[in-house]
Amino acid sequence: DAGVIQSPRHEVTEMGQEVTLRCKPISGHNSLFWYRQTMMRGLELLIYFNNNVPIDDSGMPEDRFSAKMPNASFSTLKIQPSEPRDSAVYFCASSLGTYQETQYFGPGTRLLVL
Amino acid sequence: GNSVTQMEGPVTLSEEAFLTINCTYTATGYPSLFWYVQYPGEGLQLLLKATKADDKGSNKGFEATYRKETTSFHLEKGSVQVSDSAVYFCALLNQAGTALIFGKGTTLSVSS
Repeated sequence: DAGVIQSPRHEVTEMGQEVTLRCKPISGHNSLFWYRQTMMRGLELLIYFNNNVPIDDSGMPEDRFSAKMPNASFSTLKIQPSEPRDSAVYFCASSLGTYQETQYFGPGTRLLVL
Repeated sequence: GNSVTQMEGPVTLSEEAFLTINCTYTATGYPSLFWYVQYPGEGLQLLLKATKADDKGSNKGFEATYRKETTSFHLEKGSVQVSDSAVYFCALLNQAGTALIFGKGTTLSVSS
């Protein structure tokens, strides 16, 4: 299995630009998670999908952030407009079921907003 | 609320030394507990887990025992290798089973 696939691996953009991060979960997994990792705040859950439906988006920082999962094999996290404080590593993870199941993480997207 | 506290790093050890990374938690009830490891440039991988009090999780020579009396889940390994150099995260699953709460992570550096 290819594991969780994220793209791009690195993104450098200027403040105000739109950023779209992509994730392909492991085939057959029905839960998908987006996390953000920073030195100051550590790992934070942004949003959790189950069977393509957003279940918990309480971690999404503000309206500039949005996430979609149009089908079982693809999800996007969009930031519009981006700000320097959004600079972080964004991880996507998937699991077979609920949180009780092991989560498999992708390699992450390192985002730098100038 | 739920929270996880890990010892501050970095932890620097010589090969074959004994490792302990402390982890304590605050939570309602008895949550499932996890250790994840992040190697440089990679995502997190589950290292081990324990789902109830007194359970011991183990994998790749690492162990951690769920201690409800001390609300702790310390990670140990008897003899570390250079390849164990990574960031280690302690985490708990909230009572509703809807969120993994991570600690800040502890960086381990092992030299030969």
